Amino acid sequence: DAGITQSPRYKITETGRQVTLMCHQTWSHSYMFWYRQDLGHGLRLIYYSAAADITDKGEVPDGYVVSRSKTENFPLTLESATRSQTSVYFCASSESGTSGFMGTQYFGPGTRLLVL
Amino acid sequence: GQSLEQPSEVTAVEGAIVQINCTYQTSGFYGLSWYQQHDGGAPTFLSYNALDGLEETGRFSSFLSRSDSYGYLLLQELQMKDSASYFCASDAGNMLTFGGGTRLMVKP
Repeated sequence: DAGITQSPRYKITETGRQVTLMCHQTWSHSYMFWYRQDLGHGLRLIYYSAAADITDKGEVPDGYVVSRSKTENFPLTLESATRSQTSVYFCASSESGTSGFMGTQYFGPGTRLLVL
Repeated sequence: GQSLEQPSEVTAVEGAIVQINCTYQTSGFYGLSWYQQHDGGAPTFLSYNALDGLEETGRFSSFLSRSDSYGYLLLQELQMKDSASYFCASDAGNMLTFGGGTRLMVKP
C-alpha cells in the first residue's frame, strides 16, 4: 500500500494519558510534518523533520514529542493529554522542504483525537 | 512570525469565476502555496508561486505580488465539486504557515 497513512484514524482518550499517533510514508520523502487542525481553522505546524534523527519545533510544539528513527515513520506523542489537544492531526511528507514543487506536501487522512 | 489573512467564506454560482485573496506578513518568505480541503478530507496541493505573476494550472490560476505581500487563487468555470476550503500558506523555508482558510460554496 503506497502513500502516507496514519493510525489510528479515531482516538478517544482521557486527560493525563499518553497517546501516540503514528505516521508512515512509502515514498522515502526526506521531510515529514505534523499539523493540528482545530474546527473551522487552518493547520498549525507542531513539529517537522528534515531527515531521520533530525527534528525541529513548529508553531505549537508544547505538550508534544516526536521522533524519527526511520525515514518512513514519524510518530507524534502527547505526553499527558489535555482537553485543549482535542483536534484533527494531519501528518504530511514532502520530497524536499517546502519550496517549489519539490516541496509539495502530501497529507495523510488525519487522526481525529478527542480528549475527555 | 508569520500571519496570513483570507476571507472566511465565499459563495459563487456554478460556471462562474471566483477569486480568493490572501495577504501575508512574514519574516522570511520563499513563496506562497495553495491547498484545497474537502469536508472530512485531507488538504491537497493546488499551486505554488515563488515569483511575481500568474501561474495557470487548468481551471485554477494563482497570482503573487511580493511587493504587496498579496496573492490570490482564481477558480474558473466553477463546478459543484469545487465546494471546499482553500488555504494559502507562506513558505518560510522548511516551514509552511497556513491561513485560516476560505470556505467556498458553489451553488447551482
